[in-house]
Amino acid sequence: GNSVTQMEGPVTLSEEAFLTINCTYTATGYPSLFWYVQYPGEGLQLLLKATKADDKGSNKGFEATYRKETTSFHLEKGSVQVSDSAVYFCALRDSSGSARQLTFGSGTQLTVLP
Amino acid sequence: DAGVIQSPRHEVTEMGQEVTLRCKPISGHDYLFWYRQTMMRGLELLIYFNNNVPIDDSGMPEDRFSAKMPNASFSTLKIQPSEPRDSAVYFCASSLQGRGSSGAFFGQGTRLTVV
Repeated sequence: GNSVTQMEGPVTLSEEAFLTINCTYTATGYPSLFWYVQYPGEGLQLLLKATKADDKGSNKGFEATYRKETTSFHLEKGSVQVSDSAVYFCALRDSSGSARQLTFGSGTQLTVLP
Repeated sequence: DAGVIQSPRHEVTEMGQEVTLRCKPISGHDYLFWYRQTMMRGLELLIYFNNNVPIDDSGMPEDRFSAKMPNASFSTLKIQPSEPRDSAVYFCASSLQGRGSSGAFFGQGTRLTVV
């Protein structure tokens, strides 16, 4: 079956520090990969996505590259801000079969200190 | 588009009472998902619909939980009777088939507290 494994949190960084949140996956087909962000008291919002190997998704200074050889989709940002404090979820959607549901990782809490 | 709309945002109820959570998906989306989020278990998929038909309800924890989608613009998740362990944030999400690379769009959630 499909699964997503995320780096366990919480992660605490100072403003302007470099961020990496690791994500690896297991899938039976050729999945699309996603990062979602959840701010306090809010629902999940799509942050970025990649649909095939070597694609790079990017948004709001965040980036993640779809690495098929290592089945990874690590999230990075060069300089975090206090406003980036949130929970980040890695997810996949398998393109095979009829399933259309997302499989989520457990989430990583990020706190950025001023 | 207003996005996925859930109501109520917060619900506090007594154990044994019936609770109904509501969701309006994004117009034109043909998939609708109900998730539950807790600290202990993270995000759990409860059930999802395609074109108003339930496809997979294997995540529904017990018979006390039921979900319906009477039309393309409305879905409900009902818990009867409610128990304290049902306390969680319940999210509804919708997506469009044929765009396998698209993710799902989430509502803001309903925070349920059963006392």
